[in-house]
Amino acid sequence: DAKTTQPPSMDCAEGRAANLPCNHSTISGNEYVYWYRQIHSQGPQYIIHGLKNNETNEMASLIITEDRKSSTLILPHATLRDTAVYYCIVRVAGNDMRFGAGTRLTVKP
Amino acid sequence: EPEVTQTPSHQVTQMGQEVILRCVPISNHLYFYWYRQILGQKVEFLVSFYNNEISEKSEIFDDQFSVERPDGSNFTLKIRSTKLEDSAMYFCASSDVVWRGSSYEQYFGPGTRLTVT
Repeated sequence: DAKTTQPPSMDCAEGRAANLPCNHSTISGNEYVYWYRQIHSQGPQYIIHGLKNNETNEMASLIITEDRKSSTLILPHATLRDTAVYYCIVRVAGNDMRFGAGTRLTVKP
Repeated sequence: EPEVTQTPSHQVTQMGQEVILRCVPISNHLYFYWYRQILGQKVEFLVSFYNNEISEKSEIFDDQFSVERPDGSNFTLKIRSTKLEDSAMYFCASSDVVWRGSSYEQYFGPGTRLTVT
């Protein structure tokens, strides 16, 4: 699976959009982009995934660039409960999840 | 909403003892996984299981570890002789069948904190 690069930490004001970037320049055509988050030591929580089209669900939006070399997770109205470590994972269907260090997002009042 | 459950939430054991961590995956899922997270470190893949056999395992998953699906609902991780360095959070996950390249997300349980003294 391709390697990903994320900033180690980000801050966001409560109520504003949080935009979390991820670089995956070596992604191959059959690899999906997944986003998970982990609040404290809880189990990782699935957020969203996509292959090449932008995706949106009740939690977030995923914007994937046309060349698929990077993506952005958008939390449209961040709340204090969105404070967590966010992981961007690139993976072939069926493979295990390989977690990196992720981005520690702190939502501030 | 269906969820993965794990028991116990916290297990304390002495070095050299055997432990069994239990997981109940989401009922219609057929792929099962174990991960671990040592305090302050990243989540690490241990093993995946499908159709009653291991489909992939990491270098961490040595002969001290084994997995089993003893019945239609449980999925277990056994550590035969625990070491101090086995202290970690252990997460179970499950996912639906991968079909025609469609990628199904993995759902994680809340974890079991294993403390080896």
